Amino acid sequence: DQQVKQNSPSLSVQEGRISILNCDYTNSMFDYFLWYKKYPAEGPTFLISISSIKDKNEDGRFTVFLNKSAKHLSLHIVPSQPGDSAVYFCAAKVLFGNEKLTFGTGTRLTIIP
Amino acid sequence: NAGVTQTPKFQVLKTGQSMTLQCAQDMNHEYMSWYRQDPGMGLRLIHYSVGAGITDQGEVPNGYNVSRSTTEDFPLRLLSAAPSQTSVYFCASRQGPGADQPQHFGDGTRLSIL
Repeated sequence: DQQVKQNSPSLSVQEGRISILNCDYTNSMFDYFLWYKKYPAEGPTFLISISSIKDKNEDGRFTVFLNKSAKHLSLHIVPSQPGDSAVYFCAAKVLFGNEKLTFGTGTRLTIIP
Repeated sequence: NAGVTQTPKFQVLKTGQSMTLQCAQDMNHEYMSWYRQDPGMGLRLIHYSVGAGITDQGEVPNGYNVSRSTTEDFPLRLLSAAPSQTSVYFCASRQGPGADQPQHFGDGTRLSIL
């Protein structure tokens, strides 16, 4: 039972345009969400997070939007740069539960120069 | 800044062999975790520790043991390797106890069991 779903395995975007990566979750107990970026042969790197008390969080070119009623979050990257080409993982947790982070299967983003 | 260091980077084992995957962090983080990543699946939590001497099971703990004798080190032991344990293993740490502190990951150990 995949509680965090990233339904697009891959996405290609022109350099300079907006990249939108989507993530859906089914467990209503999740109240903290994170995005990680992963290059080949490296570990995931934390990108941005959002608590369920917010619906938007920004950090530079990266913005995460949370729609609790739809159990959906998205990561916007504007403008997209070649260095953004990587696999992006969405993850969720119960903030004051145990240590478990539930990850999605990832979306491979390719930025076309 | 070493961060989280995992050794070895690659390992091939035969079924039934045992081995230890090493993980060390130099950030004085209280919390450490082990994940495995399999094709078509997200990372799944194997075991975690909230401090020296304290460990607990994650989502997929069977076939693995851990111990945490120091803050810096969190080794993962495969007792009797099975082909189903072929995977990429990631160690992570974070600064506890704030629940919203993100995980910092090592670069992984790619393990093949023949």
